[in-house]
Amino acid sequence: GQQLNQSPQSMFIQEGEDVSMNCTSSSIFNTWLWYKQDPGEGPVLLIALYKAGELTSNGRLTAQFGITRKDSFLNISASIPSDVGIYFCAGPMIQGAQKLVFGQGTRLTINP
Amino acid sequence: DAGVTQSPTHLIKTRGQQVTLRCSPKSGHDTVSWYQQALGQGPQFIFQYYEEEERQRGNFPDRFSGHQFPNYSSELNVNALLLGDSALYLCASSLGTGEGTDTQYFGPGTRLTVL
Repeated sequence: GQQLNQSPQSMFIQEGEDVSMNCTSSSIFNTWLWYKQDPGEGPVLLIALYKAGELTSNGRLTAQFGITRKDSFLNISASIPSDVGIYFCAGPMIQGAQKLVFGQGTRLTINP
Repeated sequence: DAGVTQSPTHLIKTRGQQVTLRCSPKSGHDTVSWYQQALGQGPQFIFQYYEEEERQRGNFPDRFSGHQFPNYSSELNVNALLLGDSALYLCASSLGTGEGTDTQYFGPGTRLTVL
């Protein structure tokens, strides 16, 4: 079963608002990955984090690797309609093992 | 720079049949992983191929098998299909060694429907 807990499960926001979601684990992860998935498509990699405390941006997206290595956060600033989709956090169960486990996903809906 | 490609995009089979799905990794990548994603859930790891061998396997029955070719492309085979095998099957590619081996890039997926 999955070992990553994402919250919230869903979000309904107005266009232009900022978004924040997080992912927690009972185990330590050495890599955190954030993906976005549109309906019927494969997940697209947004941000990869490799060091505890690391803060990385990709345009309007910012993600942080928690100091405890057991959590990560993704923020989206000034949301736009194309941000709609499901956001997944993921990480390898063992460093370098490449068997990714995924969170349950956060479904983002934006009201224009 | 070609990304991960998968074929076919959609497939409809009946119970008991066999299916083969195909994947070509991102240019420069040598490792292919396969995932099953049921509706409303996150992807679940099936297995991973590196240097033409299965390197890791998730909690899936032997009905699920695979192969990797010398050009790093891969196939996923599922025998004796069950209704519960209906899902989006995702292929992901990565580097087998060196930095960033945990970073996987996904293809568009193959939607399998079992009737």
